This record gives sequence, structure tokens and C-alpha cells, in this order.
Amino acid sequence: KQEVTQIPAALSVPEGENLVLNCSFTDSAIYNLQWFRQDPGKGLTSLLLIQSSQREQTSGRLNASLDKSSGRSTLYIAASQPGDSATYLCAVLRGGQKLVFGQGTRLTINP
Amino acid sequence: SQTIHQWPATLVQPVGSPLSLECTVEGTSNPNLYWYRQAAGRGLQLLFYSVGIGQISSEVPQNLSASRPQDRQFILSSKKLLLSDSGFYLCALGQSGETQYFGPGTRLLVL
Repeated sequence: KQEVTQIPAALSVPEGENLVLNCSFTDSAIYNLQWFRQDPGKGLTSLLLIQSSQREQTSGRLNASLDKSSGRSTLYIAASQPGDSATYLCAVLRGGQKLVFGQGTRLTINP
Repeated sequence: SQTIHQWPATLVQPVGSPLSLECTVEGTSNPNLYWYRQAAGRGLQLLFYSVGIGQISSEVPQNLSASRPQDRQFILSSKKLLLSDSGFYLCALGQSGETQYFGPGTRLLVL
């Protein structure tokens, strides 16, 4: 059974810092890994998708890496801003087009 | 572009009452559709997914059911709500190997 774990559960940093969010998964047989952002009381917004054959993806200040063999992914946020405050969710796609989510990291960027 | 509508946005229901949540999508045809639940203190849990009209797969045994009467309509139902059905319900659509797009969600409180 695939399990996804995100550490830390919550993170608070001052504005301008670079930061890393971690995601680990137990079964390396995945199709892709995705990072989502969720604002309070809202749905999920897709940030980055890494196919199983890829090592990383970049979008603006965000960079996500994937190491399938070790079952790990990281989301790097450069020059953090207060608008980055949200919960970040990692999810892996397994057979049957089913996403398995981690519990999320609640990020607070302090001005 | 793809758009997902969910209603109602918020719902307060007594225990034992019926439930019907609706999800409709635009800008795509023959999508995979998903119902997720996000309960307080827990991650996103996949409840049902559908690959086509009338085709429903259930992920976990529960008090809920789903139906897909039209290609772009996905309905989540219950005959008798339980307290444990409270949560944030998200509808999502996806195509094979691609990211999933999430709707705005319905917040359900069962009292």
C-alpha cells in the first residue's frame, strides 16, 4: 500500500528566505509525482508535475525534484513571499489514475 | 480551458438526513472524475472515481455513493448522513498521465 509522508507538518520562516519542503513515498512504482497548493477553505492548485522518468521540474521560483529510487521529492521555494503562505500537498499517481496524498505542510511566510 | 463547478459551497445537515453534492465540468470531454474528502486533521482521501458514464469505482467502504449520469456530471450522495461524514469534499478531473484539476470544494457539516 502506497503511503506518502510530508515533513515538516508546519513551517514558519521570514520573508525572503529560501526553503525546502519534503515528501517521501513508500512504493517507487509511480507514474508521476505532483505538488499542489491549497489556500484555506479552497480547492487545490497544481504547481508542478514530475513524470516518473524525470528528475526535476521548475516553474518560476519553484523547483521540484524527484528521486524515485529513494522514494523522495523536494519542493524548493526561492525568495519566499507572504503570498506563498498556504498548505503544500505532495501526491503520487499510481495505477488506475489514483492520486495518493500526503498530509501536507502548512507554510507561513512572515513579513 | 477546463472548469469545475461544485455546489453547494457550504452545507449544514442533521444526522440521518440525505445528501446530494453535484460536480459539473466544462472544457473537456470524457474525463476521469474523482471525489475526494478532506477531514479535519487528515489528508485527502479518494472516495470514488469514474472513467465514464455509469462507471463508478469505490475506494473505501463508507456511507456514501456516487453516480455519473452524464459525461460531465458527477454526483455524491448519501441516504443517511453520519457525523463522520463531515468534511471538505473536492471534485477533480484528470486525463491519463496528466495532473488532476480540482474544483472549489463543498464544506459539509453534519450536526
